[in-house]
Amino acid sequence: GAVVSQHPSWVICKSGTSVKIECRSLDFQATTMFWYRQFPKQSLMLMATSNEGSKATYEQGVEKDKFLINHASLTLSTLTVTSAHPEDSSFYICSARRTSDNYEQYFGPGTRLTVT
Amino acid sequence: AQKITQTQPGMFVQEKEAVTLDCTYDTSDQSYGLFWYKQPSSGEMIFLIYQGSYDEQNATEGRYSLNFQKARKSANLVISASQLGDSAMYFCAMREGLGGYNKLIFGAGTRLAVHP
Repeated sequence: GAVVSQHPSWVICKSGTSVKIECRSLDFQATTMFWYRQFPKQSLMLMATSNEGSKATYEQGVEKDKFLINHASLTLSTLTVTSAHPEDSSFYICSARRTSDNYEQYFGPGTRLTVT
Repeated sequence: AQKITQTQPGMFVQEKEAVTLDCTYDTSDQSYGLFWYKQPSSGEMIFLIYQGSYDEQNATEGRYSLNFQKARKSANLVISASQLGDSAMYFCAMREGLGGYNKLIFGAGTRLAVHP
């Protein structure tokens, strides 16, 4: 159990367009989901924390109007990169906390975004 | 503010030997959790081991053990009997508090190469 999926696994979009990434907990309910960004050869940086039914909490320096997060249900959170630019090209990873777990976050496989 | 430091950008080890990956942390919180994750080239984050700040015994999971020295604020990962499949990036992470809703802060990572 505790499987998290992301869709798409990779996406290429043109500069100026928007792209939506989905994060789903397949076999558990996730009250809280987290979105991370990872540039090549670097560590994971937390972008935002999303709680079902409420507004996401963004980390300092992350533009909330550019990275729209919606956590509409206990199994789905979406990250929309609006007006994407080449510098937004990165590996985006989500994780989900199962309500019944005390400490563990379950990570999705990641989405590689390339903006041309 | 909490901080995770991994001072070894890269390590290599001979197959079947043990290797220690270093991790030090800084936090003013009394309750915290320490994690190690493995990230192969595919990008997925694989949970390896967890240590809670109040756990008196060092955590072990198969070939992985966590050498937890609370006074020195270190949480080194020991991999015994290295295998070629252990070649990957390894990230140490910390969460303040014991609830799963608290965010994870990751270290810079250590790239491990296992040589035959």
